[in-house]
Amino acid sequence: DAGVIQSPRHEVTEMGQEVTLRCKPISGHDYLFWYRQTMMRGLELLIYFNNNVPIDDSGMPEDRFSAKMPNASFSTLKIQPSEPRDSAVYFCASGPGTSRHNEQFFGPGTRLTVL
Amino acid sequence: AQKITQTQPGMFVQEKEAVTLDCTYDTSDQSYGLFWYKQPSSGEMIFLIYQGSYDEQNATEGRYSLNFQKARKSANLVISASQLGDSAMYFCAMRRPISSGSARQLTFGSGTQLTVLP
Repeated sequence: DAGVIQSPRHEVTEMGQEVTLRCKPISGHDYLFWYRQTMMRGLELLIYFNNNVPIDDSGMPEDRFSAKMPNASFSTLKIQPSEPRDSAVYFCASGPGTSRHNEQFFGPGTRLTVL
Repeated sequence: AQKITQTQPGMFVQEKEAVTLDCTYDTSDQSYGLFWYKQPSSGEMIFLIYQGSYDEQNATEGRYSLNFQKARKSANLVISASQLGDSAMYFCAMRRPISSGSARQLTFGSGTQLTVLP
């Protein structure tokens, strides 16, 4: 079975440009999460969805960040305009709706560099 | 608020030996879950093992076991018979009670970089 798929794996862009990160969760999973990982702040939850509906976006740093989940198999995280401090690895994770552990399965991440 | 503390930024272990990675947590919840994830240099996060706060036995998954001491609020990961492929960053994480509205949110520690020496 395919795991969580993220694209692109690497993104280099210039300050001010729009960046769109994409995620395909594991089929059948009801939950989708977006995380950001930096050396300074570690792993931070940005937002998560349940059945395509955003449940908690309190981790989204500012209005420049937005996330959508138009259907059960696709989500995007958009940064507009991007800034150098947005440079990080962005992970998408998904989890089953009924699970004893509520474990999350992570994608390979997108390494974003904003120049 | 929940907090996870991993006090060992880096650890070294000889191949074939056992190693313990420390994790302490702070929570006011009576029910919670604890996870360990592995992040190799390739970057992906791999789920290793889970321990529920009411589980009577310590969790085990192959060479991984969790030394859960509830009164001390610690959930240390033990890796037996270390292999070179175990070299990676290891993260401890916690979730809130299933009944809470935020049960799906994980709080992560800062991680421990494990290096297995040949």
